[in-house]
Amino acid sequence: DVKVTQSSRYLVKRTGEKVFLECVQDMDHENMFWYRQDPGLGLRLIYFSYDVKMKEKGDIPEGYSVSREKKERFSLILESASTNQTSMYLCASTPPRGNTEAFFGQGTRLTVV
Amino acid sequence: GENVEQHPSTLSVQEGDSAVIKCTYSDSASNYFPWYKQELGKRPQLIIDIRSNVGEKKDQRIAVTLNKTAKHFSLHITETQPEDSAVYFCAASAGGATNKLIFGTGTLLAVQP
Repeated sequence: DVKVTQSSRYLVKRTGEKVFLECVQDMDHENMFWYRQDPGLGLRLIYFSYDVKMKEKGDIPEGYSVSREKKERFSLILESASTNQTSMYLCASTPPRGNTEAFFGQGTRLTVV
Repeated sequence: GENVEQHPSTLSVQEGDSAVIKCTYSDSASNYFPWYKQELGKRPQLIIDIRSNVGEKKDQRIAVTLNKTAKHFSLHITETQPEDSAVYFCAASAGGATNKLIFGTGTLLAVQP
């Protein structure tokens, strides 16, 4: 079974803090994704990576950055957290061939106060 | 830009009835259309997918239909059961070799016993 694990289930951070969300997958997948989930807005892609040290902007990259130093780990960074970044964050991974199932992590509920 | 519209946003049915969720996509290069189910507090999981060379696919009580000309696809659940209650997301692959998925905004399905 593919396992995608996010480091925290719940996080509470203060405005202006630098926040790291970690995601690890154990199936040697090349592609990794960070989504943000908000009611009524579905899953919106923040950033994705198709190889180590490679990254591409998604639809809503503003206020975020990412790091992919190792194939199995993809980190989402909020440089200076703001209250409008309060959300559920989901990581996902897929193998290199296109059009296949995306495996999701359990999600991190981030609250910025 | 690429967009997937999903309707309805909420759907309430009686146990045993059928449920239909519809999606429309904008990218004519999309060729992969998965459906994900997200139970309360859990991660999204793939329940069925269809590729552009197929018009319909069935898996027990679940079926998906695709009309490439009209750029829409639908999820059909027959003989609904309370455990079908969840949020359902449709998605379409982005054109090109990015392995990206564009998600719809989700449908909250409630099956009343």
